[in-house]
Amino acid sequence: DGGITQSPKYLFRKEGQNVTLSCEQNLNHDAMYWYRQDPGQGLRLIYYSQIVNDFQKGDIAEGYSVSREKKESFPLTVTSAQKNPTAFYLCASSTPGEDEQYFGPGTRLTVT
Amino acid sequence: LAKTTQPISMDSYEGQEVNITCSHNNIATNDYITWYQQFPSQGPRFIIQGYKTKVTNEVASLFIPADRKSSTLSLPRVSLSDTAVYYCLVAPGDSGGSNYKLTFGKGTLLTVNP
Repeated sequence: DGGITQSPKYLFRKEGQNVTLSCEQNLNHDAMYWYRQDPGQGLRLIYYSQIVNDFQKGDIAEGYSVSREKKESFPLTVTSAQKNPTAFYLCASSTPGEDEQYFGPGTRLTVT
Repeated sequence: LAKTTQPISMDSYEGQEVNITCSHNNIATNDYITWYQQFPSQGPRFIIQGYKTKVTNEVASLFIPADRKSSTLSLPRVSLSDTAVYYCLVAPGDSGGSNYKLTFGKGTLLTVNP
């Protein structure tokens, strides 16, 4: 089955700790994205990568970091510099020639 | 990027046709109109995309008038499982096809009642 997986589904951390969210896809897509969603709000773009070893900041990149060492993987690190890290995080991927982005199931991060 | 405006919420009943309208007055010449559906605690799912006139697939229809300043997503005979948030997006249809600058607003919460 082709698709995007995110793990874990729920994640709890103490304030001040860095945490890394996993995103893997076996769709052979070149581009991958990270979004953040707060309750009752739309999605906001954090980072995106159009090709391996390259990525760009989205609209709200501060306090986050990413890497793209493999085509299939695009992990997101939420650092202690992120002021309000508690949110629902969504990873997506797409490929040239197709119109849509494919989303993973999301990770709900709670920082206390 | 063109800003979109859509109703915050809509109510409907099972079996009815639902039309959700989105306005995008500043749409650019090379922009496409795309609709996504999102269930609670899940990632959005692509529904339909169009550039002008009418597009239909197995799930929905998308009506776009000649001036392209608005669009209407039409869901035929909705069921309880169609209760979700529906997002209208405007994004450039570049030759690469990767809409990396998608902007999701708050969307429209459609509630389908029995």
